[in-house]
Amino acid sequence: GAGVSQSPSNKVTEKGKDVELRCDPISGHTALYWYRQSLGQGLEFLIYFQGNSAPDKSGLPSDRFSAERTGGSVSTLTIQRTQQEDSAVYLCASSLGVGKETQYFGPGTRLLVL
Amino acid sequence: DAKTTQPNSMESNEEEPVHLPCNHSTISGTDYIHWYRQLPSQGPEYVIHGLTSNVNNRMASLAIAEDRKSSTLILHRATLRDAAVYYCILRRGLNTDKLIFGTGTRLQVFP
Repeated sequence: GAGVSQSPSNKVTEKGKDVELRCDPISGHTALYWYRQSLGQGLEFLIYFQGNSAPDKSGLPSDRFSAERTGGSVSTLTIQRTQQEDSAVYLCASSLGVGKETQYFGPGTRLLVL
Repeated sequence: DAKTTQPNSMESNEEEPVHLPCNHSTISGTDYIHWYRQLPSQGPEYVIHGLTSNVNNRMASLAIAEDRKSSTLILHRATLRDAAVYYCILRRGLNTDKLIFGTGTRLQVFP
């Protein structure tokens, strides 16, 4: 069966440009999570959705970061006015519901800001 | 969230058992112990989880100390494909959301 998919797989952008990262969760999964992994750093939580609502946005590093989810399915993470420190792998995960044991991760989007 | 401590790295030879330790001395009664691993250039994948009793699945076994202040992930016969970073994570009950990843243990497997 199809797993979590993310697009693009790689993105190179110039400092100051906006980028959109997309996540397609596993069909039927109501919970969706965004994490990022910077070079040499661990994985850090950004935001999660239950349905189309985002009860926890505590991990978003600045107001340049936003995310939305529509139709309880696809989610988009938007980074405005990108900075070099935004360079990282952005990972999306989904699960059957909040608190369910297993989160299934996508392959990630590797973002490089020049 | 309670903190976990893991060795930075471990090594094993192929087809030998591997014991990956995790200390979580501040664990609370409702914290579940989860293990995820991240293969090179991939997203993390779930390995196993438990609360108090030892657990087995097709991937690994989880041995939990009686006082629950530590646990050990056991790979019974390491393969080259098991080379990854292994993360031990505490989740407060099952009604939690985000995963809090530490630095994990990088496992190297030699042929």
